[in-house]
Amino acid sequence: EDQVTQSPEALRLQEGESSSLNCSYTVSGLRGLFWYRQDPGKGPEFLFTLYSAGEEKEKERLKATLTKKESFLHITAPKPEDSATYLCAVRAFMNYGGSQGNLIFGKGTKLSVKP
Amino acid sequence: NAGVTQTPKFQVLKTGQSMTLQCAQDMNHNSMYWYRQDPGMGLRLIYYSASEGTTDKGEVPNGYNVSRLNKREFSLRLESAAPSQTSVYFCASSDRAANEKLFFGSGTQLSVL
Repeated sequence: EDQVTQSPEALRLQEGESSSLNCSYTVSGLRGLFWYRQDPGKGPEFLFTLYSAGEEKEKERLKATLTKKESFLHITAPKPEDSATYLCAVRAFMNYGGSQGNLIFGKGTKLSVKP
Repeated sequence: NAGVTQTPKFQVLKTGQSMTLQCAQDMNHNSMYWYRQDPGMGLRLIYYSASEGTTDKGEVPNGYNVSRLNKREFSLRLESAAPSQTSVYFCASSDRAANEKLFFGSGTQLSVL
């Protein structure tokens, strides 16, 4: 069964304290791994897409990396405004009703950055 | 730029009542989706519409129906609400079905008593 597991469930950091979030996956044929950010009371906001092992993407203080079994979201010198829930999702070679594979989301990591 | 607009933002229903959640996007996207988000679980796909005129079931379609009214609008209907449908519902859109970049609305918090 295709699965996405994120860890830790929650992470508290001091401003400037770098760390990493983990997303491990088991899918039958990965077609892409995606990171989203979700603020309280809002819908998820797209951050990155990674397609193959070894690929890296960066945006401000965030850097996403991908291996064959997991992805990391590295946060360098975080600020309080980075506080949010970070969601990982994968697209696999699966389909509902004959169409293209849809996203499987993890439960998320809730990040809190204290000043 | 409104993006994806969902209405209502909050709703309380009694068991057995029906209601329709509305969603509209102004980005000229072809594909639209309905997800639900429950505490301790990831977002789960209810239904999606790859293009105008088509709809398909997702992971958890039971108890729901959808209508792709036109390219802009995609509604989700609960015919006979049950407490298990208490959740936060998100509508999303993308320019094509295989596109990973989904744009989400701000959600509808639904409680079924």
